[in-house]
Amino acid sequence: EAGVTQFPSHSVIEKGQTVTLRCDPISGHDNLYWYRRVMGKEIKFLLHFVKESKQDESGMPNNRFLAERTGGTYSTLKVQPAELEDSGVYFCASSQRHTYEQYFGPGTRLTVT
Amino acid sequence: DAKTTQPPSMDCAEGRAANLPCNHSTISGNEYVYWYRQIHSQGPQYIIHGLKNNETNEMASLIITEDRKSSTLILPHATLRDTAVYYCIVRAPTPTGNMLTFGGGTRLMVKP
Repeated sequence: EAGVTQFPSHSVIEKGQTVTLRCDPISGHDNLYWYRRVMGKEIKFLLHFVKESKQDESGMPNNRFLAERTGGTYSTLKVQPAELEDSGVYFCASSQRHTYEQYFGPGTRLTVT
Repeated sequence: DAKTTQPPSMDCAEGRAANLPCNHSTISGNEYVYWYRQIHSQGPQYIIHGLKNNETNEMASLIITEDRKSSTLILPHATLRDTAVYYCIVRAPTPTGNMLTFGGGTRLMVKP
């Protein structure tokens, strides 16, 4: 069974540009989460999808971040315009509806210069 | 979510048992104890979780005290590949989700 995949593994962009991160959850997992770790800080929750619906987006830092999960399969996280403080590692995780373990992807390292 | 307290770092000799403590004195009756770890440059990895009974799987054992105010993750025979940051997370799963709140964790260094 394939695990959670994320693309790209690393992205370097300039301040003010736009970047879109993609996450492909484990097949059949209705729950999809985004987290991030910015430099020197702890891993923080961003938002949670159940299928295509946003269940909780309380962790989204501001309106420069937009997450979508069309069709309830893969998800994208767009940052527009990117700022220096957005640099960090963005993780995606998925879980089945009725189990509690979350399976994480390898992360996307975002560097904003 | 209940707050957890973990030592920032620990060392363990290869082949020996690694015992990682976690204090969660304010845990509520419906909150589970989860353990995840993050090996350098990888995404967090689920290890084990429990409510009140001790649990064991192929990776580790979880010992929860009777009052549930603390727990210990045991890696029975630590290897160099177990070097990672270990996170103890206490959370009451909601019907539709289960977001995780990561603290600082314990950095376990397994030494030859």
